[in-house]
Amino acid sequence: GENVEQHPSTLSVQEGDSAVIKCTYSDSASNYFPWYKQELGKGPQLIIDIRSNVGEKKDQRIAVTLNKTAKHFSLHITETQPEDSAVYFCAASIGYSSASKIIFGSGTRLSIRP
Amino acid sequence: NAGVTQTPKFQVLKTGQSMTLQCAQDMNHEYMSWYRQDPGMGLRLIHYSVGAGITDQGEVPNGYNVSRSTTEDFPLRLLSAAPSQTSVYFCASSPAPTRQADGYTFGSGTRLTVV
Repeated sequence: GENVEQHPSTLSVQEGDSAVIKCTYSDSASNYFPWYKQELGKGPQLIIDIRSNVGEKKDQRIAVTLNKTAKHFSLHITETQPEDSAVYFCAASIGYSSASKIIFGSGTRLSIRP
Repeated sequence: NAGVTQTPKFQVLKTGQSMTLQCAQDMNHEYMSWYRQDPGMGLRLIHYSVGAGITDQGEVPNGYNVSRSTTEDFPLRLLSAAPSQTSVYFCASSPAPTRQADGYTFGSGTRLTVV
C-alpha cells in the first residue's frame, strides 16, 4: 500500500521568512496530494491540493510543487506570519475508485518566531 | 450547516469497557472515515465507508467496528477498550470518491483516554 514520509517533523522560522515542508510517496499510482493545517485543539483543515497532472499550484502565500518522477511533493509558505504556526500534514491518494483512501504523513510542527 | 460533528469531545474509559464514538455530517457526503492521531505518527486510517451499507478496513482496524446505516452517520465502536487505544480520534467526510479534489472535512476530534 501507499506510504507517505514527511520531513521535517519540526520547523522554526523567523516571521517573514519562507518555510518548506517535503513529502515523498511510495505508490506511483497516487494522483491526488492534499495538504492540511491543524491548529491546536482542532481538526485538520484542507489548505491546498494538487493533482498528478499539475506540477505546481499557488494560492496567495502558499504553493505546492509535485515531482512525479521522484515521487515527492512540497509545501512552500512565503512571508510567514504568526497565524501560520500549526501542524501541517501532507497526504497522498489513489483515485478514483470506491477503494480510494487518503494516507497521511506524520506531520510537521511549524513555529513562527516573532 | 454544521459540517462534521463528533461527540463526545473527551472520554475516559477503563480497560475492557465499550463505547461508541459518534460522527454525523449534514453535507450529504458519501465518503466517511475514521482516523486516529498519535504523537509522531500522523493520522492513521481505521475504517472508511463509501456509502450507506458499505464499510471497509483501513490501516489500523483491529479493536474497532463501524457501521453505516445512513448517509449522515458513521459511528465507531470500541468493543473492549485497551490502553493502546488512547488517542485522538477524527471523523472525516468528503463528496463521492470521484470528487476527491474537494478534500476531506474533519470533525473537531474526540480525545479518548483508556486507563
